[in-house]
Amino acid sequence: DTGVSQDPRHKITKRGQNVTFRCDPISEHNRLYWYRQTLGQGPEFLTYFQNEAQLEKSRLLSDRFSAERPKGSFSTLEIQRTEQGDSAMYLCASSLAAGSVTGELFFGEGSRLTVL
Amino acid sequence: KQEVTQIPAALSVPEGENLVLNCSFTDSAIYNLQWFRQDPGKGLTSLLLIQSSQREQTSGRLNASLDKSSGRSTLYIAASQPGDSATYLCAVRHMIKAAGNKLTFGGGTRVLVKP
Repeated sequence: DTGVSQDPRHKITKRGQNVTFRCDPISEHNRLYWYRQTLGQGPEFLTYFQNEAQLEKSRLLSDRFSAERPKGSFSTLEIQRTEQGDSAMYLCASSLAAGSVTGELFFGEGSRLTVL
Repeated sequence: KQEVTQIPAALSVPEGENLVLNCSFTDSAIYNLQWFRQDPGKGLTSLLLIQSSQREQTSGRLNASLDKSSGRSTLYIAASQPGDSATYLCAVRHMIKAAGNKLTFGGGTRVLVKP
């Protein structure tokens, strides 16, 4: 499978615990994005990387959230001291840099977080 | 600030009827617009991408049009089938570099095609 893969698909945790999600983008894609989606809403942008550089962060990304993309390949999104309001689907997407081809985004299946 | 709206939020049609899904956006300075399909509990599947210079894109039974000046896009699905039941999302990418490279999504239209 050469699509975007995310792990784990589901995570249930207690409030106050830390969680980490991993995303493996399509291998030739140099841009990687994280979005958050709550029930019945469209996805909201969190952050994106071009290669290993984190180029933009949304105000939704509080200081409890941190994302990394070491070596410009896979990415991790960590949430520290989880709160019930963090319960959502966390979506990862990848693309080639805009201007090279179409800039089309391809999404993974998402990681669903439930904070009890 | 770009806002994307999809109306209606939900739509139910009998099998065989054509589907018309609407998307509107407030800032016409877009780089491109992308339509996605999302099944319950799943990720997003890209359906069509329209560059700002294009007026429409077609793929099989799907046709998407773009009217940038009026801030509208329409996704047509011909001869709907029960397997078309899903949520359809549109998203725009900003033209202005300062706005970053992110997509802004609408809230989606939940479609049910009844056999």
